[in-house]
Amino acid sequence: DAGITQSPRHKVTETGTPVTLRCHQTENHRYMYWYRQDPGHGLRLIHYSYGVKDTDKGEVSDGYSVSRSKTEDFLLTLESATSSQTSVYFCAIRGDSFQETQYFGPGTRLLVL
Amino acid sequence: AQTVTQSQPEMSVQEAETVTLSCTYDTSENNYYLFWYKQPPSRQMILVIRQEAYKQQNATENRFSVNFQKAAKSFSLKISDSQLGDTAMYFCAFGQVAGGGAQKLVFGQGTRLTINP
Repeated sequence: DAGITQSPRHKVTETGTPVTLRCHQTENHRYMYWYRQDPGHGLRLIHYSYGVKDTDKGEVSDGYSVSRSKTEDFLLTLESATSSQTSVYFCAIRGDSFQETQYFGPGTRLLVL
Repeated sequence: AQTVTQSQPEMSVQEAETVTLSCTYDTSENNYYLFWYKQPPSRQMILVIRQEAYKQQNATENRFSVNFQKAAKSFSLKISDSQLGDTAMYFCAFGQVAGGGAQKLVFGQGTRLTINP
């Protein structure tokens, strides 16, 4: 298995509070991604990173920000959590070649009350 | 924008049978990748098989094979000799080039497959 961990694995928070999810990899891969999974939608890309301090938006980026200050960590922040951000969040990593596959972390289940 | 459609929300077959999951996609690009991922009850996303669009030969991985029809924009997954452990949600995904050489995946809605003993 690819060396990807996510923390926390489960979190319950209240509307309006800030939340940060962490993705950590031990593979030294250049590319990292954050997706969310909701019933009926499959996985949707929130943000991605193509290097330290290099990030870009995905298809559902509103309400989220990211940071990558070192290769191994990619942080996803909900500045002010809303109930619509209740979801399962997956991090993924990929090596340098476009031919390579994305490998996913175990997911974080977030409930915003 | 690229879209991926899985028209079968749920499927159920008997153990040892063959089952085919459908996937269609829409794109104007010529160079891309297609993937099937499996998500068992543990929620872990597991790669099943992938196909490079420039390759005409269909990909195979043991009991799993694909039927890739580029002109029709169709990418179906065939599971032969199905096993109880194949019970899972299956997602079709389209991989497109993004900024910085990243690969953005667009997923279908998924097909819930149940293998019955």
